[in-house]
Amino acid sequence: GAVVSQHPSRVICKSGTSVKIECRSLDFQATTMFWYRQFPKQSLMLMATSNEGSKATYEQGVEKDKFLINHASLTLSTLTVTSAHPEDSSFYICSASRAFEQYFGPGTRLTVT
Amino acid sequence: QKEVEQDPGPLSVPEGAIVSLNCTYSNSAFQYFMWYRQYSRKGPELLMYTYSSGNKEDGRFTAQVDKSSKYISLFIRDSQPSDSATYLCAMSKSGGSNYKLTFGKGTLLTVNP
Repeated sequence: GAVVSQHPSRVICKSGTSVKIECRSLDFQATTMFWYRQFPKQSLMLMATSNEGSKATYEQGVEKDKFLINHASLTLSTLTVTSAHPEDSSFYICSASRAFEQYFGPGTRLTVT
Repeated sequence: QKEVEQDPGPLSVPEGAIVSLNCTYSNSAFQYFMWYRQYSRKGPELLMYTYSSGNKEDGRFTAQVDKSSKYISLFIRDSQPSDSATYLCAMSKSGGSNYKLTFGKGTLLTVNP
């Protein structure tokens, strides 16, 4: 199968600090990774598309300076939430694509206090 | 009108029942159709994908796509308590590794023993 991991699974941080979330494809190389956000009982909302070695493409309404994405290798993409605020508290999920299938990580629960 | 509409349920059935889950969509450009299963506080898991119209069967699961009606379905036969989860339909306009998925809101299914 295709396995995608995320780290950390849960993080609590104070308002104003930055948090980094890692997404790794463990058994395949992914030229494209995606970052989603999911609110309780809501569907997944695409935040950005990340291609290895190039700048991420952000969806309309997503602040690129607040949600920094780096896709340094074919197996690793990172999302950094800068100067986090309570409204950034959410479930963040990444996915990695192989052909036309997307495989999702287990998600990261971010709580900003 | 949202691009993808999915009844959020909740849907509760007895063990062994046949479950029918559905989505409608408005954009005729969608070509690839997927169903994901998401357990609580976990990332989505790809169940089935189909390209264009037709049926696809995998064990107890059958996916149907009717592009003329812009309607997709997932049938679960002999449902089990372990099938209890949120089911998300998703679709994309193109293939390749750089495609974007548009998700429905998800249907919460409970299978009672």
